Amino acid sequence: DGGITQSPKYLFRKEGQNVTLSCEQNLNHDAMYWYRQDPGQGLRLIYYSQIVNDFQKGDIAEGYSVSREKKESFPLTVTSAQKNPTAFYLCASRPTGVYEQYFGPGTRLTVT
Amino acid sequence: EDQVTQSPEALRLQEGESSSLNCSYTVSGLRGLFWYRQDPGKGPEFLFTLYSAGEEKEKERLKATLTKKESFLHITAPKPEDSATYLCAELNSNRDDKIIFGKGTRLHILP
Repeated sequence: DGGITQSPKYLFRKEGQNVTLSCEQNLNHDAMYWYRQDPGQGLRLIYYSQIVNDFQKGDIAEGYSVSREKKESFPLTVTSAQKNPTAFYLCASRPTGVYEQYFGPGTRLTVT
Repeated sequence: EDQVTQSPEALRLQEGESSSLNCSYTVSGLRGLFWYRQDPGKGPEFLFTLYSAGEEKEKERLKATLTKKESFLHITAPKPEDSATYLCAELNSNRDDKIIFGKGTRLHILP
């Protein structure tokens, strides 16, 4: 089955710890994206990558970091510098030639 | 400022009661207008892409339309399983590859 997987579904961390969220796709999509969703707000773009070994900051990149060493994988690290890390994190990918993005199931991160 | 505004924020309908959801977008530079469905605790599911005014697309009980300043998602004779949050999003030439999402309309269909 082709698709986008995010793991884990739920993640709990203590304040001050870095945490890495996984995003893998076997759709052969070039572009990948990370969004954050908070209650009552639209999805906000954190980082995106249009090609391996290249990525750009989105609208709310502060306190986050990413890497894109393989086409299939785009992990997101939430660092201790992120002031309000508790949120629902969504990964998406997009094939070349179309505009629409396809989303994974999400990871709910809770930091206490 | 580029933004996508959806209305209403929430809508409760009886099963079979048709209605429409509204999405206002940034008119200048539109490259694509998207509709997604999102169930609680899950990732958004892609529904439609509209590119130009006058375009319409249908899928089961849903029909998306685009005018020169807004898009509508029409829901005909909805069923309880259509209950979800519907998200509208815009890709604009002023923002490269970055899509802007609206806050969504929470739709609840009562049996």
